[in-house]
This record gives sequence, C-alpha cells and structure tokens, in this order.
Amino acid sequence: DTEVTQTPKHLVMGMTNKKSLKCEQHMGHRAMYWYKQKAKKPPELMFVYSYEKLSINESVPSRFSPECPNSSLLNLHLHALQPEDSALYLCASSPAGDETQYFGPGTRLLVL
Amino acid sequence: AQSVTQLDSQVPVFEEAPVELRCNYSSSVSVYLFWYVQYPNQGLQLLLKYLSGSTLVKGINGFEAEFNKSQTSFHLRKPSVHISDTAEYFCAVSSGGGKLIFGQGTELSVKP
Repeated sequence: DTEVTQTPKHLVMGMTNKKSLKCEQHMGHRAMYWYKQKAKKPPELMFVYSYEKLSINESVPSRFSPECPNSSLLNLHLHALQPEDSALYLCASSPAGDETQYFGPGTRLLVL
Repeated sequence: AQSVTQLDSQVPVFEEAPVELRCNYSSSVSVYLFWYVQYPNQGLQLLLKYLSGSTLVKGINGFEAEFNKSQTSFHLRKPSVHISDTAEYFCAVSSGGGKLIFGQGTELSVKP
C-alpha cells in the first residue's frame, strides 16, 4: 500500500455540527500532517504529528482538534466551524529521516 | 526564515512546446527542494525532489529540475508538454523539522 487515503471526499456541515476527517497511511511513515488549502492558494500547514505526538501546531483555532490514535491514523475533529473554514483539507505523511511529504486526495469541506 | 518565489503565476503554452516553470528560494541553511503538481479537485502529487547529490533531478511524467545553489533556483522543465499536463504546480522548500514552505503556485495551461 503506497498511498495516503482520506475520508470523506466531500463534507457539508452546519456551524453547530461536530464532524471528523480521517486520514490513513500504511507505508510505515512516522510523521503525519494536516493542511488547509483555499482555492488558488498553496496549502497552509495546520498540525504535525511525529511518532504519534503533536510536534507543531500553527496557531490553529481550537475548533479544529487533531488526534493521532496510532502510527497509521490521523483524525481532525471539527466543531463550531465558520463559513470561512470551507476549504480543501489535505493530509500528508513522510518516512522517518526524510523530508518528503506524500499527500492524500483531500476532503473538500463546505460550512454553511 | 525561508521563502519561495514562483516567478510566474500563469504559463500558457501550446501542446508539444517546451516549458520552464521558475522557482527561487531564500534560506540561510541547507535546503531540500520539491515540485508538486495538483490537478483540479485532487491532492498534491510529488513530481520530483532534490535532497542531495546530482543537481539535475528527473521526475515523473518527463519533468526534470536543476538545483542551482549560487542562483538559489530550482526551475522545472519539460521538453514537450501534453494537454494532460494542464495543472497547478507548486515549488516547496524544507530545511528539516517537518515544515514545507510552498510558493504561490504556477498555473500551467497547455493549449492544442
């Protein structure tokens, strides 16, 4: 298995909903990342997990809550989002000792 | 601090013509360099990377890039483009620690 998978592909939620995004990789990678990408812009780093521990939080609002239950799985829990949070959410992973990041297909989120 | 500048936001080109997408970076330390491609409504796919060694790097889909340390550049080239190469291209730099710094992207539009 040589890819990063993300579910769901699309998500529509209201501002009072709670939802979760899921990311999986089975390549034995030790670092996993969440990015947010708005249309026609580069991805913006949100969180980095290294060996299942949160190592970087780029001052992301608390309505986004990451979780890394094991080395293959990364979740992003969403609560009380705003319409401006609508974006493509990308997950990536990288092997130990290598800066190369491999991206999943993304979850397109619409907040109404 | 590191930064990446992609010198062209849009590059229109005819099918079978050569193309060069330009990328300059600034960093006070050694860097790793990457080019990613993003097709509409998809995630980022790694085209090629420079970590060390030969400054001419060959990637997927016939693309190549040359690392020029004195000019702090990492331009992407393809000798003959296809319609299917139409996409957004991102140059990125890392100096370690899990942070990728992206350029603003170049939209390559291949016309018949």
